[in-house]
Amino acid sequence: NAGVTQTPKFQVLKTGQSMTLQCAQDMNHNSMYWYRQDPGMGLRLIYYSASEGTTDKGEVPNGYNVSRLNKREFSLRLESAAPSQTSVYFCASRATYQPQHFGDGTRLSIL
Amino acid sequence: GIQVEQSPPDLILQEGANSTLRCNFSDSVNNLQWFHQNPWGQLINLFYIPSGTKQNGRLSATTVATERYSLLYISSSQTTDSGVYFCAVAGSYGNTGKLIFGQGTTLQVKP
Repeated sequence: NAGVTQTPKFQVLKTGQSMTLQCAQDMNHNSMYWYRQDPGMGLRLIYYSASEGTTDKGEVPNGYNVSRLNKREFSLRLESAAPSQTSVYFCASRATYQPQHFGDGTRLSIL
Repeated sequence: GIQVEQSPPDLILQEGANSTLRCNFSDSVNNLQWFHQNPWGQLINLFYIPSGTKQNGRLSATTVATERYSLLYISSSQTTDSGVYFCAVAGSYGNTGKLIFGQGTTLQVKP
């Protein structure tokens, strides 16, 4: 039972490059979330998807796009990476009125 | 939006000591979770506790929703308890499940 799986675990990009972070869950959860964690801080919500086919902005959406590909998968895309997007990215999922379950994170460095 | 404040920000304990971590929040919530972020950066679910009291081994948590606070108790602390403890809440309105994180309490347990 894998839970929430994020790929890749580590990535280094140059400023202006693009990339997509992948997230998949095998718990049949309706809702999925992307957060970022900067040094010394708690997590902040980037985007979320309440159900398949819907997405909405969180607290810090600028510079990101998301796709809810199907019920299992929720991807986060950086179209033109900037050094300010260097962070650790976490994906999470939940069933309604249940706790969120988190992946192990993707450590992204942008030079 | 909801404000989440955790105290203390830092805590140093001798192995075997007990501690209490506090989380205050500014509005009604339908989700409150406590997490332990280990030295490898993984977020470990400790409790899902929007109200009431729960216990899991040496850890227990109490949320008093009407007074908008939650407490995490760690008894007989061990060096493996070291790390950052986060409280995160989701507001009662809209049932989106979006979590707002506190800044965390960094715990160091010395042998």
